[in-house]
Amino acid sequence: GAVVSQHPSWVICKSGTSVKIECRSLDFQATTMFWYRQFPKQSLMLMATSNEGSKATYEQGVEKDKFLINHASLTLSTLTVTSAHPEDSSFYICSGKRFGGLAGNNEQFFGPGTRLTVL
Amino acid sequence: AQSVTQPDIHITVSEGASLELRCNYSYGATPYLFWYVQSPGQGLQLLLKYFSGDTLVQGIKGFEAEFKRSQSSFNLRKPSVHWSDAAEYFCAVGMVDGGATNKLIFGTGTLLAVQP
Repeated sequence: GAVVSQHPSWVICKSGTSVKIECRSLDFQATTMFWYRQFPKQSLMLMATSNEGSKATYEQGVEKDKFLINHASLTLSTLTVTSAHPEDSSFYICSGKRFGGLAGNNEQFFGPGTRLTVL
Repeated sequence: AQSVTQPDIHITVSEGASLELRCNYSYGATPYLFWYVQSPGQGLQLLLKYFSGDTLVQGIKGFEAEFKRSQSSFNLRKPSVHWSDAAEYFCAVGMVDGGATNKLIFGTGTLLAVQP
């Protein structure tokens, strides 16, 4: 149980175009989803936190107009990279936090990631 | 500020040998600590977590970790490494907000290679 999928797993786009990445919790309801960015041989950096039905909360330094996050249902969150540029090339990972459970015992379940390459 | 340090970027061990991956954290309150493993093409998988209680935590795949408050450490151990353990390992600390762990701060990861 607690499976998170991402689609696509790999995408190449031209500079200036927009790309949408989907994150789905397949067998649980994720009241909160997180989006991370991972550079080669580096750690995961949290970009934003989204709660279902609310606006996402972005980390300092992350452009909210560039990285649009929508969390329209308890099983789907999307990240749209608008007007993508080569510096946006990275590995994007989402995770979902299960609804309910004991406070503090909120494990995040991670998707397999999406490799974005902007030419 | 909260931070996680994994001093070893890359470690190579022989199959069957013991393993210890180091993790140090900086956090003002009682930490919620996690170890994740990342294999190519797969999402991060939780190995184990510490919230409270016994400071020696058992996880999946034969891993364990020990929380040492005095050393601000949460090192991951395995007595006998298998070739399938080759992967990248991340230590993380959970930030508590209103009683619920909301954010994870990750270390830079340790890449484990296993020699036959």
